[in-house]
Amino acid sequence: AQSVTQLGSHVSVSEGALVLLRCNYSSSVPPYLFWYVQYPNQGLQLLLKYTSAATLVKGINGFEAEFKKSETSFHLTKPSAHMSDAAEYFCAVINTGNQFYFGTGTSLTVIP
Amino acid sequence: DTGVSQDPRHKITKRGQNVTFRCDPISEHNRLYWYRQTLGQGPEFLTYFQNEAQLEKSRLLSDRFSAERPKGSFSTLEIQRTEQGDSAMYLCASSSRGTSDWNEQFFGPGTRLTVL
Repeated sequence: AQSVTQLGSHVSVSEGALVLLRCNYSSSVPPYLFWYVQYPNQGLQLLLKYTSAATLVKGINGFEAEFKKSETSFHLTKPSAHMSDAAEYFCAVINTGNQFYFGTGTSLTVIP
Repeated sequence: DTGVSQDPRHKITKRGQNVTFRCDPISEHNRLYWYRQTLGQGPEFLTYFQNEAQLEKSRLLSDRFSAERPKGSFSTLEIQRTEQGDSAMYLCASSSRGTSDWNEQFFGPGTRLTVL
């Protein structure tokens, strides 16, 4: 079964610093991978998705992620953190049965 | 239409009672999904519909859980004989099939269930 692992349930960065949120997937075939963000008391919002086109995917709010098949990774990055980036971030993979599998999430804190 | 809506946003019930949640998807979306999210965890897929057909329900948590989408528009998720372990956030999402099966799912704000 496909799954994703998010390393680090909590990440803290200083405002203006690099954001790196880690996601590794388990799949026997190239998967479709997603990053979602969840702000407090709001629904999940898609940041970006990888669907076997370019390996470097750019998303909203300055986020991007790189698909690395050799490392089975899809880490999320942003060059400069902003206070408004504080939220919960979820990596997800979809299988051929159109079922999403979400990671356990990483809570990002941005320190002023 | 501004997005997926769910009703109610919060539900408190006593153990053993039945509860029903409603989800209204984005109007042109033909796929609708239900998830459960517990504290500190990512959303857990439960079931999904394409139009009125329930294409996957093997991951519903028990036979106390059931979902319907009778007219291919809104959907309901019912939990019978609720237990304290059912306390969680129940999320609904919708997507359009479009030209790809891997279209973005748009999530609603969720219904938070508390079972006393």
